[in-house]
Amino acid sequence: NAGVTQTPKFRVLKTGQSMTLLCAQDMNHEYMYWYRQDPGMGLRLIHYSVGEGTTAKGEVPDGYNVSRLKKQNFLLGLESAAPSQTSVYFCASSSLDRRGALHFGNGTRLTVT
Amino acid sequence: QQQVKQSPQSLIVQKGGISIINCAYENTAFDYFPWYQQFPGKGPALLIAIRPDVSEKKEGRFTISFNKSAKQFSLHIMDSQPGDSATYFCAASIAGNTPLVFGKGTRLSVIA
Repeated sequence: NAGVTQTPKFRVLKTGQSMTLLCAQDMNHEYMYWYRQDPGMGLRLIHYSVGEGTTAKGEVPDGYNVSRLKKQNFLLGLESAAPSQTSVYFCASSSLDRRGALHFGNGTRLTVT
Repeated sequence: QQQVKQSPQSLIVQKGGISIINCAYENTAFDYFPWYQQFPGKGPALLIAIRPDVSEKKEGRFTISFNKSAKQFSLHIMDSQPGDSATYFCAASIAGNTPLVFGKGTRLSVIA
């Protein structure tokens, strides 16, 4: 049982480049989330989705876009990467009846130079 | 505005001792308070959670104490072990309505 899988695990971008982070879950969860983790800042919510075809902004959405075309996938896009987006990105999912029990992937470490 | 304030930032405890991590919140609408444990290179994992209708919840060596009037909750790790060394996050949400809001985390080191 894979749970939540994030790809890639590591990536280095130059300022202004774009990329998409992929998240896939095999638990048939309704809710999916993207968080970023920075030293001393904890986990901050970027965007989330309450179901296929729906997305909503979190605490720090600027500079990111998301899409959820299929229930099992949640994509995070950076259109024009900036050094401030250097971070570890975590995807998570949860079920309708246990919304607070998040299942996290193992993260994508992104460096923007 | 930080909705959940966690302390301390880091904690060093002797093996066999008690680790205590505290969190405070402002939003009285919060009604679900989980703790997550994160090991290096891994994503956080749910450890234990409590709702405000009880003052304490215990699972093995891990206990959450909840003080509704003070708007505070804490994680106690009894008989702390080196394998407990990790980063711990408290969180809060309004069940069924809002995503989790996390504290900034506490790095726990248990030394032999």
